[in-house]
Amino acid sequence: QSALTQPASVSGSPGQSITISCTGTTSDVGGYNHVSWYQQHPGKAPKLMIYEVTNRPSGVSNRFSGSKSGNTASLTISGLQAEDGADYYCCSYTSGSSPWVFGGGTKLTVL
Amino acid sequence: QVQLVESGGGVVQPGGSLRLSCAASGFTFSSNAMHWVRQAPGKGLEWVAYITSDGRGDHYTDSVRDRFIISRDTSTNTLFLQMNSLRGEDTAVYYCAKDWNWGMDYWGQGTLVIVSS
Repeated sequence: QSALTQPASVSGSPGQSITISCTGTTSDVGGYNHVSWYQQHPGKAPKLMIYEVTNRPSGVSNRFSGSKSGNTASLTISGLQAEDGADYYCCSYTSGSSPWVFGGGTKLTVL
Repeated sequence: QVQLVESGGGVVQPGGSLRLSCAASGFTFSSNAMHWVRQAPGKGLEWVAYITSDGRGDHYTDSVRDRFIISRDTSTNTLFLQMNSLRGEDTAVYYCAKDWNWGMDYWGQGTLVIVSS
């Protein structure tokens, strides 16, 4: 099972909006609404930011939003803040031999 | 509050075995499926294994199937990962995570496994 495709890095200035893409296939992202997004700061455990494509867990800022079009899911962060600088990973359920697959991760730099 | 605490990591020789544990608290362990996810040094997250809430079903990533076994003990609220025939590429921080809505809503702090001679 191949990893989902994410850009290696994105950057933005405080207050701006950025979008991170996550491209898969009809066997994963395109076939199910089971896409989740995780934020990971260096040396820390991942934190769930979005589940089921668009839903935010309790306590996650509404500056974070998720969407999907075809085989590509996206995470948008609006009103960038310094503390948003971290690695972000998408994850999807898949019909492949291994039921879950992560993206390669995207490093967000807040300039 | 939900807590997941992994233990059992360490240094092991290639071909050796190791058993990881994850002590769960703050939620009804027997009602929730669980995952193991790993992260090699400087690399991204890799899903490893999943077990159903009742322990009767499991799934594995291709690279560990037939070498790793995920299990759980409801009486002690503990998740396990038995790792056999370890290889260098299994070197990673291993996280346990609680399943929720096809994602993972709570994660432990991780335990480091180093496979090296």
